[in-house]
Amino acid sequence: EPEVTQTPSHQVTQMGQEVILRCVPISNHLYFYWYRQILGQKVEFLVSFYNNEISEKSEIFDDQFSVERPDGSNFTLKIRSTKLEDSAMYFCASSQASGGANEQFFGPGTRLTVL
Amino acid sequence: DQQVKQNSPSLSVQEGRISILNCDYTNSMFDYFLWYKKYPAEGPTFLISISSIKDKNEDGRFTVFLNKSAKHLSLHIVPSQPGDSAVYFCAGKGFGNEKLTFGTGTRLTIIP
Repeated sequence: EPEVTQTPSHQVTQMGQEVILRCVPISNHLYFYWYRQILGQKVEFLVSFYNNEISEKSEIFDDQFSVERPDGSNFTLKIRSTKLEDSAMYFCASSQASGGANEQFFGPGTRLTVL
Repeated sequence: DQQVKQNSPSLSVQEGRISILNCDYTNSMFDYFLWYKKYPAEGPTFLISISSIKDKNEDGRFTVFLNKSAKHLSLHIVPSQPGDSAVYFCAGKGFGNEKLTFGTGTRLTIIP
């Protein structure tokens, strides 16, 4: 069964450093998403991406964040200058279409720890 | 922002009995509701959804009920199995946008 994959599974970084989280969505999906879950809190939407541009973003997704689809398979989330409060589990998701229930398929997540 | 609320952080149910997980919402603009299951160290897995114009949707052991007037939905799992032990998230999707708004989750433990 096709699945979303994410690398690395765990990333440790120093405050102020740049990190890039990588995702390979399901191959025939057209919509891509990043969510995050701070420990003990709910899963929060960050950004959605379609047709090589951001289609929606949350208040969390400020100028420190960016997303890119550098080739036909990868989807990346970059955090330019990490802060302590960026420590969280980051989930990538993808879906075939945006209409209807829009079932999104999630990857296993990358745990980001900012020291 | 508490648009989707799951007021029970945990629930324990005997194997073979019915598990009922509850979810309340405040946003009247949700057009679909989805339930996801999450095991430790894995991402959320889609279980079942319901349109806001329906009051029930069933898929095997899983049934979701929607009460729009009460802004309440519930997920019924029957019979409950040990493999159902996980955290269950309710999520709403607004009409015309793609983002999912999640609740805080309910940890379900099935007791053999």
